[in-house]
Amino acid sequence: DAGVTQSPTHLIKTRGQQVTLRCSPKSGHDTVSWYQQALGQGPQFIFQYYEEEERQRGNFPDRFSGHQFPNYSSELNVNALLLGDSALYLCASSLGTVAPTNYGYTFGSGTRLTVV
Amino acid sequence: AQKVTQAQTEISVVEKEDVTLDCVYETRDTTYYLFWYKQPPSGELVFLIRRNSFDEQNEISGRYSWNFQKSTSSFNFTITASQVVDSAVYFCALSEARNTDKLIFGTGTRLQVFP
Repeated sequence: DAGVTQSPTHLIKTRGQQVTLRCSPKSGHDTVSWYQQALGQGPQFIFQYYEEEERQRGNFPDRFSGHQFPNYSSELNVNALLLGDSALYLCASSLGTVAPTNYGYTFGSGTRLTVV
Repeated sequence: AQKVTQAQTEISVVEKEDVTLDCVYETRDTTYYLFWYKQPPSGELVFLIRRNSFDEQNEISGRYSWNFQKSTSSFNFTITASQVVDSAVYFCALSEARNTDKLIFGTGTRLQVFP
C-alpha cells in the first residue's frame, strides 16, 4: 500500500523564480495538506485541499497557491521565490475533514527546496 | 492563542537509558487533540499517538509511554530502554476541535541515542 509520494525530493531554485511541488496521497485518502518546515523548526500549516477546493489556509502570502486534481493528487506552487522560502515542504494526506481527530495524517518524506 | 512548546532542543542518551521528552501546550478550547510524531532523517513524520482532551489516562505502547496532565497543560513522552533506532526528531502537536484541519507543531526535540 503506497504511502504519500512527493516529487521532486530535492530542488534548487533562484530567487524570483517559480516552483511547483507535487504530492500523491495515500491510497484511499481524499484530503491533502501542505506544511512548510524551516531548518530547526516545526512544520507550519500552509493550506488544505478537499474536494478540489482550498478548505483552509495558514498564515502564508498569496505567493503560495495550490491545486487538487480529481484523483486527489495536489500541487503546491510558490511564485517569486525568496531566500526565506528555503525549507522542507511536507505533504500530508488524510480521509475526510475530521481525519486528524480519528486517523491522523500520513506524511510524505517531503521536498527539500533551496533558494539561492 | 494556540501554542506548543518543546523546551528541550536536543537530548543525548546512551542506549538502554530512559528518556522523557517534554511538551507544554496552550489553547483556549476545551476540546482539543494532542499528537506526537517522530521524524527520522528520511524526513517523513511518523504518527505515534493521538490523545483527546477528555481522556487523561496515561498510555503505554511497548517501550513508549505518554503522560497527559491537563492541570499543567503537559503531554510528555517517555521512551524506556532507549535504542539507537529511536534517534530522530520528535514533535508534539495540537489540533483544536474548532479547527481540526491543521496541526500546530512545537519546534521539536532531537534525540540522539548512542550505543
